Formats: sequence, structure tokens, C-alpha cells
Amino acid sequence: DGGITQSPKYLFRKEGQNVTLSCEQNLNHDAMYWYRQDPGQGLRLIYYSQIVNDFQKGDIAEGYSVSREKKESFPLTVTSAQKNPTAFYLCASRRTGLYNEQFFGPGTRLTVL
Amino acid sequence: DQQVKQNSPSLSVQEGRISILNCDYTNSMFDYFLWYKKYPAEGPTFLISISSIKDKNEDGRFTVFLNKSAKHLSLHIVPSQPGDSAVYFCAAGSSGGYQKVTFGIGTKLQVIP
Repeated sequence: DGGITQSPKYLFRKEGQNVTLSCEQNLNHDAMYWYRQDPGQGLRLIYYSQIVNDFQKGDIAEGYSVSREKKESFPLTVTSAQKNPTAFYLCASRRTGLYNEQFFGPGTRLTVL
Repeated sequence: DQQVKQNSPSLSVQEGRISILNCDYTNSMFDYFLWYKKYPAEGPTFLISISSIKDKNEDGRFTVFLNKSAKHLSLHIVPSQPGDSAVYFCAAGSSGGYQKVTFGIGTKLQVIP
């Protein structure tokens, strides 16, 4: 049963703490993505990775970091430098090739207190 | 600078009637377009896509129309069902780049029974 998992569904952290969001996929997709959703803002790209050990900044990468040590995993760290970390975070993966769609995980709601 | 615009934040339609969701884009490099459906607190799910070599693509109750000269696309849902009530995101990508897509801010569709 292939898919993308994100854990946990809800996450609470104190201001000033770093937090890492998990994203795992067993679809054998090369490309993976992290988005952030805020009310009225749609989906904004944070980081993306086309292949293992390579990743690029998206439109709003400041205050975030990622790693891609394994094909299946693309964790996102929200650092204390991110000024407004409270948001809904979505991970996606995509099979390499023209016009292929992204498959999304269920999302993690991060609340920083 | 929004490269993908969904100018209607919400739309209400009677069950059984047609729903038309619109999307405009500004980047001439975009050559494929996708529609996603999203329920609250869940990840988006892919609905339908179209490449720039076509002007129409149909899948069951869903049809996407592309007008390249106007840089406009629309999603038609016929007939609309209460289960179609969700937020619909338009997305656009360029096959020549890193294959990332840009999302609009979404249109909330409510289908009234």
C-alpha cells in the first residue's frame, strides 16, 4: 500500500525550539517537496529535492533546513530563525518525468506557543 | 508576484448543476497545469491535468479547458455533488525547469444539496 506518511499529525513546540517534521514515501519517487499552507495563502514551496543528497531552496526557505540522505525520506527542520512557524506543513513526492503530478501526505499542523 | 491566480475565493453551486472554477497565469514558460482538491486538515489530491499542447482534457465529471492566448484555464465539474465541496487549487509547472509547480491560493467550492 504505497503512499506518503507525515508524522505527527499535530505538533506543539515552545518558541525558540527547533523541530523536525518527518516525511516518508514508499512510492519510489525521486523528487520530494515541502510546502507550507497558511490561511488565504495557498501552498508555498519551502524546499525541494530532485535526487538523493541534493536539494534546492523554494520560495520561502528562510528559517528552514532539510536533508535528503535516503530516497524515501525528506525531513524538514523548522528552526528558531523562522519568524512565523505556526502553519500546516505538507510534504509531497513526484515521479520523474514530464507532466507528472505530485502526491501529497496528510500534513502536519505545527503550533508554536 | 502571483504567477498563478485564482480570483474567486469561494463559489456556491446547487447539486446537479455545473461548477466552473477559474485560474489565470502570467508566466509564459508554464506548459502544464494541474488541479488539486483539498479537504480541511488533509493533503491535496490530484484531480486532472493538461499540457499546453492540448486545449481540453476530460476525466469523468471533470473537464479542464486551457486557453493559452488568454493564459487562462478552467475546471468544469458536471454534475456537481455535495462530496465535491472542498478547496480547489490550480497549479502550473514548466517542464524545462526543476519541475516544481506554482500553486494558486485556492477556491472554496460549496455544493448545496
